[in-house]
Amino acid sequence: EVQLVESGGGLVQPGRSLKLSCAASGFTFSNYYMAWVRQAPKKGLEWVATINTSGSRTYYPDSVKGRFTISRDNAKSSLYLQMSSLKSEDTATYYCVNIWEPHWFAYWGQGTLVTVSS
Amino acid sequence: DIQMTQSPASLSASLGETVTIECLASEDIYDILAWYQQKPGKSPQLLIYDASSLHTGVPSRFSGSGSGTQYSLKINSLQPEDFARYYCQNGLSAPYTFGAGTKLELK
Repeated sequence: EVQLVESGGGLVQPGRSLKLSCAASGFTFSNYYMAWVRQAPKKGLEWVATINTSGSRTYYPDSVKGRFTISRDNAKSSLYLQMSSLKSEDTATYYCVNIWEPHWFAYWGQGTLVTVSS
Repeated sequence: DIQMTQSPASLSASLGETVTIECLASEDIYDILAWYQQKPGKSPQLLIYDASSLHTGVPSRFSGSGSGTQYSLKINSLQPEDFARYYCQNGLSAPYTFGAGTKLELK
């Protein structure tokens, strides 16, 4: 059974940084692209970042490019999201997601809530 | 960026009814479209990919169709567990955009 468990969310002030982690199990982590998707409170879904299997290529929408960095450690079956220069509009539940090609969000974690507020 | 427009925004239906949710892409996405279901307080779940292929474990009362810019999700014989929010998603090119969602409520 695929399991994705996020951690690292919490309350952070605007302009500060936060790092999210995701522990994966139940599948061969190193064989899959991975992604982060977020959902602001009572809002829709927004893709945040994708990383390829080796970690050599990353992809972001303009809304987070230059502020967020996705990375992975295949030896630890772990995915990360380093978020910097956080804004109030980054407040959301962040989901760790396993990707099926070409770009389907196949399996989702339970999410971790990030609140950006002073 | 490819824009995904879903309709209706909300829908009321009764148990046993058949409903259809529409998704319009701002350009041809060549059937590279997925549908997700999200229940309150839960994570989204993949239902359909490649416009019409059912994900593992998804009941056969769900079906997807369409081509070009117009796609639809059909749910036959609504069950209590089907009342949820549904999203379509562009899988063709980044940014991988979602529709705004359709809330399916029990009448």
